[in-house]
Amino acid sequence: EVQLVESGGGVVRPGGSLRLSCAASGFTFDDYGMSWVRQAPGKGLEWVSGINWNGGSTGYANSVKGRFTISRDNAKNSLYLQMNSLRAEDTALYYCAGRYCSSTSCYDYWGQGTLVTVSS
Amino acid sequence: SYELTQPPSVSVSPGQTARITCSGDALPKQSAYWYQQKPGQAPVMVIYKDSERPSGIPERFSGSSSGTTLTLTISGVQAEDEADYYCQSADYSGTWDWVFGGGTKLTVL
Repeated sequence: EVQLVESGGGVVRPGGSLRLSCAASGFTFDDYGMSWVRQAPGKGLEWVSGINWNGGSTGYANSVKGRFTISRDNAKNSLYLQMNSLRAEDTALYYCAGRYCSSTSCYDYWGQGTLVTVSS
Repeated sequence: SYELTQPPSVSVSPGQTARITCSGDALPKQSAYWYQQKPGQAPVMVIYKDSERPSGIPERFSGSSSGTTLTLTISGVQAEDEADYYCQSADYSGTWDWVFGGGTKLTVL
């Protein structure tokens, strides 16, 4: 059974830091590009960051560039998001998502999310 | 910054056809994906690479593209299809500049 399980969310003050983790199982993790996608309460999906299969290529939304860092450890089947200088507008449910596309098909998995609340 | 534009809402009666559009200048050059999200659940991919349907997704879901506009078509809409739908693609700069459309709430009357 494919599973992506996020952890590390919580309540943090503005300016604080959190590190999110995502544990993957049930699929070949190092075949997959991985992303963090967030959803503020009652709002739409917002892509936050992505990383390719070996960590050699990463990308960030303008809203988090310079504050968040994505990384992965394929030996541990894990994805991470280091979040620094947190702001109220970073409050959201953070999803871990993986995608692999071959020449003929795509496979896509999401976790259930971890909630980050930035509040004083 | 690059944007994908979707209508906020679409309403159809059961058995009718729902069409949800997504517009973006880079769509002719980048693959696009459609996601379905029901309340309290994680998104589920229903279309990939503009028009391909993953295994397990009902045949009533289809995707098409024309120029800078994508269309998600749900034929013979069922009550269980009521959900938010999001398109996702990337801008011209490549792999890791993803963007999601603002989402469309599909209401089954």
